[in-house]
Amino acid sequence: DQQVKQNSPSLSVQEGRISILNCDYTNSMFDYFLWYKKYPAEGPTFLISISSIKDKNEDGRFTVFLNKSAKHLSLHIVPSQPGDSAVYFCAASGETSGSRLTFGEGTQLTVNP
Amino acid sequence: DAGVIQSPRHEVTEMGQEVTLRCKPISGHNSLFWYRQTMMRGLELLIYFNNNVPIDDSGMPEDRFSAKMPNASFSTLKIQPSEPRDSAVYFCASSFPWSSGEETQYFGPGTRLLVL
Repeated sequence: DQQVKQNSPSLSVQEGRISILNCDYTNSMFDYFLWYKKYPAEGPTFLISISSIKDKNEDGRFTVFLNKSAKHLSLHIVPSQPGDSAVYFCAASGETSGSRLTFGEGTQLTVNP
Repeated sequence: DAGVIQSPRHEVTEMGQEVTLRCKPISGHNSLFWYRQTMMRGLELLIYFNNNVPIDDSGMPEDRFSAKMPNASFSTLKIQPSEPRDSAVYFCASSFPWSSGEETQYFGPGTRLLVL
């Protein structure tokens, strides 16, 4: 049972444009969501998070939106830069899962110069 | 801070051999996690520890896998005997406790394991 799903395995965007990465979840007990970025041959690095009490969290070029009723979150990167090219993982946790994170499959973002 | 340290970075072994992966978490972090990444299953949690105690090992695939955390600064993941299907990248991550408000997990660079 895939509780966190990223339906787009890849996304290609032009430099300077907006990148939108999507994530859906099924477990209504999830209340904390994170995005990680992963470069080849490196571990995932934390990017941005959002608690379920919010619907938006912004950090520089990165904004995460949460739609609890739709069980959907998205990561917006604007403007996109070639250095943003990486695999992006969505992850979720909840009070009942404690420290346990459930990850999506990842989306490979390619930002073309 | 050096971040989470994992060793070895790469391991090639033959089927049936014992494999030991090592992890040093970030100093001060009380929670430690072992993940496995494969093409088929993505990034999956194998086991995690709080204050050196295993809390959830439901992700450990079978008895061939075992993990220990003898102290706050060291953990091992052991596969004995190893099989070709164990080939994957194994990540260790650490964080402050869940209740601390600083639960972000920080990942090590991973160990790429190939079992022939």
